[in-house]
Amino acid sequence: DSGVTQTPKHLITATGQRVTLRCSPRSGDLSVYWYQQSLDQGLQFLIQYYNGEERAKGNILERFSAQQFPDLHSELNLSSLELGDSALYFCASSPRGISNYGYTFGSGTRLTVV
Amino acid sequence: AQTVTQSQPEMSVQEAETVTLSCTYDTSESDYYLFWYKQPPSRQMILVIRQEAYKQQNATENRFSVNFQKAAKSFSLKISDSQLGDAAMYFCACSPTSYGKLTFGQGTILTVHP
Repeated sequence: DSGVTQTPKHLITATGQRVTLRCSPRSGDLSVYWYQQSLDQGLQFLIQYYNGEERAKGNILERFSAQQFPDLHSELNLSSLELGDSALYFCASSPRGISNYGYTFGSGTRLTVV
Repeated sequence: AQTVTQSQPEMSVQEAETVTLSCTYDTSESDYYLFWYKQPPSRQMILVIRQEAYKQQNATENRFSVNFQKAAKSFSLKISDSQLGDAAMYFCACSPTSYGKLTFGQGTILTVHP
């Protein structure tokens, strides 16, 4: 257990639907990052939150949105889903600064859009 | 912006032998961090080793070591005494600041033959 909790682990949904992925960061970590890993591809950065504020944004689609709540957990909302959104979505967390153990990743949510 | 390139899509090694995975990066930042992550079939992202760019000494973690060539922007990973459990996808990543996002390479699939 890495300390970063992602739910659900698996999600199957139909095109056009909306889903919410949840992430609880490691205790004490203030930053949350969301990454997308499509089949046979590397990890693409989506968005970063630090202590409730959006800190950095990557190639995140307008259909996707995220937020970080006061208790520091984060949610990634994916709407109007398309087949191409099928991927493994990772959440990672880090403390205020880089620690000796770097970024800690959750086990991911595997989204399948049918 | 930073880029990370892993030029070896696949590598293989015999058990107990040594293998080196290549990584080059490009960043305009003067201070940054470099990482190697391992992704086994379980798809969990596991930190293998990290290197602060301001440190000239190459990082080492047990059987894993890096060859960090700052001027050449090269950051290779050497795995000594390879074990079957080392078989995985390996990602090189760069982060420009303590708060910055990780930029990943495309990954190298490592196969370990008994």
